[in-house]
Amino acid sequence: EAQVTQNPRYLITVTGKKLTVTCSQNMNHEYMSWYRQDPGLGLRQIYYSMNVEVTDKGDVPEGYKVSRKEKRNFPLILESPSPNQTSLYFCASSSPRDRECYTFGSGTRLTVV
Amino acid sequence: TQLLEQSPQFLSIQEGENLTVYCNSSSVFSSLQWYRQEPGEGPVLLVTVVTGGEVKKLKRLTFQFGDARKDSSLHITAAQTGDTGLYLCAGVGEGDKLSFGAGTTVTVRA
Repeated sequence: EAQVTQNPRYLITVTGKKLTVTCSQNMNHEYMSWYRQDPGLGLRQIYYSMNVEVTDKGDVPEGYKVSRKEKRNFPLILESPSPNQTSLYFCASSSPRDRECYTFGSGTRLTVV
Repeated sequence: TQLLEQSPQFLSIQEGENLTVYCNSSSVFSSLQWYRQEPGEGPVLLVTVVTGGEVKKLKRLTFQFGDARKDSSLHITAAQTGDTGLYLCAGVGEGDKLSFGAGTTVTVRA
């Protein structure tokens, strides 16, 4: 089944403790992206990647890092999480043939205390 | 400030009634998408409208793209409880960048 898989689904952590949220897709998509979803603000793009080793900042990149060493994986790294990064995070991917057709993961709900 | 404004923010109706959700912007988009998101899941693409003035129908759902490609509407006829969810519009702009509205939470009561 074609899908985007995120792990973990839920995470509670403390301020300053480094964490990584993994994202993997099995559709051989070049384009991958991370979003955060907050009430009243919709989805805002954090980082995106056009292909392996090519990443760029989205609208709200502060406090986040990403890497794209392989086509299928696009982890989101929070080096020193803070409470304002408490949010629902989504990974998405799309193919160059149909760039507008995004497949989203099921989300990771992160709480930073 | 949201690039895309959705209204209303919340909508609660009885099963069988009709509803319309609006998505407005001052920006022009090459295309506009509508997603539905259920609790605990990611958004799922419902439709993409590309041409100004375009109308697309998916069973009881009718999507319209404004003539100037700045706004869109989603109309649901004879709503069912299974239509309950968060409806998101997203505009595709320069560089295929996707900008989302804040969403409309639709609740259809049995």
